[in-house]
Amino acid sequence: AQSVTQLGSHVSVSEGALVLLRCNYSSSVPPYLFWYVQYPNQGLQLLLKYTSAATLVKGINGFEAEFKKSETSFHLTKPSAHMSDAAEYFCAVSPNTGGFKTIFGAGTRLFVKA
Amino acid sequence: DTGVSQDPRHKITKRGQNVTFRCDPISEHNRLYWYRQTLGQGPEFLTYFQNEAQLEKSRLLSDRFSAERPKGSFSTLEIQRTEQGDSAMYLCASSGGPGTSGSADTQYFGPGTRLTVL
Repeated sequence: AQSVTQLGSHVSVSEGALVLLRCNYSSSVPPYLFWYVQYPNQGLQLLLKYTSAATLVKGINGFEAEFKKSETSFHLTKPSAHMSDAAEYFCAVSPNTGGFKTIFGAGTRLFVKA
Repeated sequence: DTGVSQDPRHKITKRGQNVTFRCDPISEHNRLYWYRQTLGQGPEFLTYFQNEAQLEKSRLLSDRFSAERPKGSFSTLEIQRTEQGDSAMYLCASSGGPGTSGSADTQYFGPGTRLTVL
């Protein structure tokens, strides 16, 4: 069975600092991987996704993530945090071998300090 | 493209009552998903439709829960005999359509329906 683990339920950074949100997955074969962002009182919005093409994936708002099969990781980074990045971030996995059941991590809330 | 819409946005009900939520997906999308999200957790998969066919259901979807998508467009999620443990945000998402690639597709989420069971 597939699963996703997000390390750290809360991450706090200063404005302009590096953002690093950690995600590890468990799957018998490399799955499709996603990062979604959720702002208060809004639905989830896709930041980026890995679909077995390039291992370094660039997304919206300056975010990127690198798929590392050896580490079963898909960490999300942004070189310089902005106040508007404060939100909840979810890593998710879906199978590439049939089926559409998407499994989400518990989420990481990002705080950005001025 | 007006996005995924959900109605109502908020629902307060008493324990034991039935409730029904509606989801209108993006018009050209043929896949529709329901999730439940509780405070401090990520969305939990409940069920998935391809057109009007319900192809997968989570074990979280007890006998009190039923979902339909009768014409392959909008969907409803009904909860019978609500319990306090059903209090959560219920999210709908849609994906698919021409040029898409299956489970790698981006899911587009609605704003959710927040259910409070007293």
